[in-house]
Amino acid sequence: QKEVEQDPGPLSVPEGAIVSLNCTYSNSAFQYFMWYRQYSRKGPELLMYTYSSGNKEDGRFTAQVDKSSKYISLFIRDSQPSDSATYLCAMSTYNNNDMRFGAGTRLTVKP
Amino acid sequence: GAVVSQHPSWVICKSGTSVKIECRSLDFQATTMFWYRQFPKQSLMLMATSNEGSKATYEQGVEKDKFLINHASLTLSTLTVTSAHPEDSSFYICSARDSRTGVYNEQFFGPGTRLTVL
Repeated sequence: QKEVEQDPGPLSVPEGAIVSLNCTYSNSAFQYFMWYRQYSRKGPELLMYTYSSGNKEDGRFTAQVDKSSKYISLFIRDSQPSDSATYLCAMSTYNNNDMRFGAGTRLTVKP
Repeated sequence: GAVVSQHPSWVICKSGTSVKIECRSLDFQATTMFWYRQFPKQSLMLMATSNEGSKATYEQGVEKDKFLINHASLTLSTLTVTSAHPEDSSFYICSARDSRTGVYNEQFFGPGTRLTVL
């Protein structure tokens, strides 16, 4: 069993749709939960991070963490074609030396 | 701020040769840098953690004699793929952590280096 599971998609939605991306994990020691966006042949860029359980909102993006279920989500509201990218979830324990990534979900937002 | 560069961005080499990839933190000091590899449509896999002035820590299954890491300064880490073979072809990405950051310790990623071994 992988430490972090993420459906690779691909996921295609029309412009303006709400997008839901999810990951599950097995290591209960994870405390930091991140979402990265990666464009083709580029390095990942951090979108949001959350410590422990709860919700965090930043503009059109909302991250949710449910540690009891070992499940995290990223919601994108009013999706735009520029949101088309691969979204990677990542998580780590306290010192962030051991970040583990999901496989990434490829998202396409069609105009 | 928090920019990480990699050089080269793309390299093609013959089987059996060695290739050096540089990772630089441009506007901050990084006592810790990380090296990842990513195969097509797969996730990033941590290869090793590079600490300035000391030996790198390799993840299980990563050959330290094949993937040589040197972190000689607070802004530069290098990864040398020795005696490269076609199966080493991959996208190599480094990240750096600002020495001054607080509890979270965000990693900032470079743009990646695509290695193709013929």
